[in-house]
Parts: sequence; C-alpha cells; structure tokens
Amino acid sequence: GEDVEQSLFLSVREGDSSVINCTYTDSSSTYLYWYKQEPGAGLQLLTYIFSNMDMKQDQRLTVLLNKKDKHLSLRIADTQTGDSAIYFCAENCGGGATNKLIFGTGTLLAVQP
Amino acid sequence: NAGVTQTPKFRILKIGQSMTLQCTQDMNHNYMYWYRQDPGMGLKLIYYSVGAGITDKGEVPNGYNVSRSTTEDFPLRLELAAPSQTSVYFCASSYSVGTNQPQHFGDGTRLSIL
Repeated sequence: GEDVEQSLFLSVREGDSSVINCTYTDSSSTYLYWYKQEPGAGLQLLTYIFSNMDMKQDQRLTVLLNKKDKHLSLRIADTQTGDSAIYFCAENCGGGATNKLIFGTGTLLAVQP
Repeated sequence: NAGVTQTPKFRILKIGQSMTLQCTQDMNHNYMYWYRQDPGMGLKLIYYSVGAGITDKGEVPNGYNVSRSTTEDFPLRLELAAPSQTSVYFCASSYSVGTNQPQHFGDGTRLSIL
C-alpha cells in the first residue's frame, strides 16, 4: 500500500536553514503537499508541487522533488521561532479521482532562539 | 468566512457510549473528509464524501459511520466508543479534484474514551 515516511524531529537555530525530508511510495501521485500544524490547531497548507516539477520556490520555502527516488524535501530559509511546528508531507492517491491524501507521520521542527 | 468548523473541541466519553462529531463548512466545497490523528502519527482517513448523498470508506472506517445530507455538513458518528478511538479527529474539505484543490482543515476534536 501507499506509505509516506518522515524523520520525527529536527532542531535548528534561529536564522539557520531547515530541511525536512520525506519519502513516498506511490509513483502515480500527481501532487505532493507540505502542511504545517501548530499546537492545538488543524493543518495548514504551506505549499505543494506538481509531480512534473523538480523545484518550487515560494518566499522562504523551497520544495525539491526527486521523482526517481520518490524523495521530497522542504527547505525553510532563515528559520524563525514562529516556524516551530509539526510539518507533514502528503501525497494524493487514487489517481486524482478522489483527492485522497496519504500523510507522513510528521516532523517536529524545534527552532532554538 | 469561517471555513471548516468542528464541534465539540474536546470530549470525554465512557466505553460504550455514542456521540456525533460535527463538521460544517461554508465554502461550498463538494469534497469532505474525516481523519484521525494518533499521537506521533500522521493522519489516517476514516471516511470521505464527494458530494451530498455520497460517502465512502477510507483507510480506517471500522467503528464509525458518516452521513452527508447537505453540502455543508458531514457528521461522524461513533456508536460504541472504545479506548482505541481515543484520538484527535480532523474534518477537512476541498472544492474539487483534478487540479490543485487543497484540503482545508478544521481545528480538530480531541476525544478521550475512558
């Protein structure tokens, strides 16, 4: 079945770059997503990438996609304490017919001042 | 614009009790979803709906039921609560599929079964 894996924890200093990694298994995924979850809140869509792209940049966020290795990463430049949260990658499954998402286990990003 | 609203925010149930988790959205989205999030885990899809009157099972549907009588509402029912259903439940909605239509999430319902 489909599976999405992430490392559980990442700690960085304020001002440094953060790189959160994700591997997925469904090669038919058309979109891959990054969501942010702050404590006690729901998931907020940060960015996404279409499967025929290698890279997408959106202000401080850079998404890299290696489709051959089924590897997705999220780079946050100039990480701030407000970036502390859990980050989930997700892939859409079902060939786009149902928009079903498979989520990773989430990476807790801790930003030290 | 309220987005996706879930009620209640917290609830404690005894084993065997039943309850309904409410979810409503005001974005005229066709697609709605229920997920559960267990500690240290990602979200697992329980049920989803592609429109009023249509529902389908996700990855972990056992012990739950849903209905979709209107576009706005997608309640999740637990008939006989079990400790394994202790979790945080998230409702989400999206307009469509095919192009990028991100899912919008509610703030969650924290449910404990004791």
